[in-house]
Amino acid sequence: DADVTQTPRNRITKTGKRIMLECSQTKGHDRMYWYRQDPGLGLRLIYYSFDVKDINKGEISDGYSVSRQAQAKFSLSLESAIPNQTALYFCATSDPTRGGMEEQYFGPGTRLTVT
Amino acid sequence: AQKITQTQPGMFVQEKEAVTLDCTYDTSDQSYGLFWYKQPSSGEMIFLIYQGSYDEQNATEGRYSLNFQKARKSANLVISASQLGDSAMYFCAMRERTAGGTSYGKLTFGQGTILTVHP
Repeated sequence: DADVTQTPRNRITKTGKRIMLECSQTKGHDRMYWYRQDPGLGLRLIYYSFDVKDINKGEISDGYSVSRQAQAKFSLSLESAIPNQTALYFCATSDPTRGGMEEQYFGPGTRLTVT
Repeated sequence: AQKITQTQPGMFVQEKEAVTLDCTYDTSDQSYGLFWYKQPSSGEMIFLIYQGSYDEQNATEGRYSLNFQKARKSANLVISASQLGDSAMYFCAMRERTAGGTSYGKLTFGQGTILTVHP
C-alpha cells in the first residue's frame, strides 16, 4: 500500500463550489505539505504543517485553507473554487529527524479542474 | 529573484549516452540542501538524490550524480548511460533553514526540465 495517499485522484468541479482534497500518510511523519503544480512553474507551496498544532502559509495560500486533523491527515480546502485553481495538487510528508537530508515523500497527486 | 533556476525547458539525449541537467540556486544561508526529483508522465514525484551544502563529496546514487559547485551555486544532475525510462520531467529543489534558524523548513522548486531519451 502507498505510504502517502490522496483522495480524490481526479475531480472536476464548477466555479464557486467548495471542495476538499484529502491526504493521509502511514509514514509516521510529523511534517506535511500541500503543493500545486502548473505547467512551466514547477511546484509551489500552498500550506505546510510541522506538527498537528503548527500550520503555516506557503507562497500561494490565498483562496485555500487547510486542516490538520491528526498526525496522519492533512486536508486542503478551496472555499470557492475558481478556474485558475485548475492544477495538479500534491501532498507530501517529511521526517525532521533526518536533518538536512529530510527528503519529502509525495502522494500520487490530485488533478483538479474548475470549470 | 528566483531561488532555483533551471534554464533548460527541454533536453534530448540518445539512449546510453550521458546527459547533464542544469540547476542554479540563490541563497544567503550557509546551511542548505539540494534535491532532485523525477516526475514521469504518470505524474508521481520520485526522489533521486540529495546534496548537503557542507558535503565535501559530490552525491551519487546509481546512474545519478550531482555536480555540486558551491562557489558557482550550481547543482547539476548528471545521468549516465541514459535509458528510455529516464524520459521524464526533472525538478531541482532547495531547502533552507526557517527564519528562526532552527529547522530545515520547506522546499523551493525550479521550473523543471523535460528530458527525452531517443532510442
